[in-house]
Amino acid sequence: GAGVSQSPSNKVTEKGKDVELRCDPISGHTALYWYRQSLGQGLEFLIYFQGNSAPDKSGLPSDRFSAERTGGSVSTLTIQRTQQEDSAVYLCASSPPKGSYEQYFGPGTRLTVT
Amino acid sequence: QKEVEQDPGPLSVPEGAIVSLNCTYSNSAFQYFMWYRQYSRKGPELLMYTYSSGNKEDGRFTAQVDKSSKYISLFIRDSQPSDSATYLCASGGSQGNLIFGKGTKLSVKP
Repeated sequence: GAGVSQSPSNKVTEKGKDVELRCDPISGHTALYWYRQSLGQGLEFLIYFQGNSAPDKSGLPSDRFSAERTGGSVSTLTIQRTQQEDSAVYLCASSPPKGSYEQYFGPGTRLTVT
Repeated sequence: QKEVEQDPGPLSVPEGAIVSLNCTYSNSAFQYFMWYRQYSRKGPELLMYTYSSGNKEDGRFTAQVDKSSKYISLFIRDSQPSDSATYLCASGGSQGNLIFGKGTKLSVKP
């Protein structure tokens, strides 16, 4: 079946602009995660959605970052007033219904802030 | 101290060698342990996961968890050039998100 898809695959934006990154999880998966991967760094957790529960936003680095998940499926990560340090690969993952721990990743969106 | 520590390498081995990749973790509440493989400019691909302690084998790959020493290992037998990638270990508790190591870059030379 289809895996996790993300769009765009690459995004170049100017400092100060807002960007939206999209994630389509695997059909039937109830959990959705956003991570950030910077050069030389591991994956950094950003936010986690599980079903209809309130999201776990504990990893968001500042209030410029926000995310939504509509209808329990597609998610959008928004970064406002982008800064150069926001340049990274943004990865989305989804998990099967609660009780399964494996996370399946999309290909990522490579964000470059100039 | 980072919650999951992983030697970044790089690690270079000849084709056919046995590869040992290792991580340590600090949080006793972690119950599940994953290994991901990431090729350049691709998303991480789940290789294996284990719940609690013990071994799990899948083809040429064996994952091992020792909770008493908080040590996670991945062994690759008969390594192939196609195994050249970055290997990420990850651990998690009941809250959902995974904590990742920084990854070990492996190169298998023909």
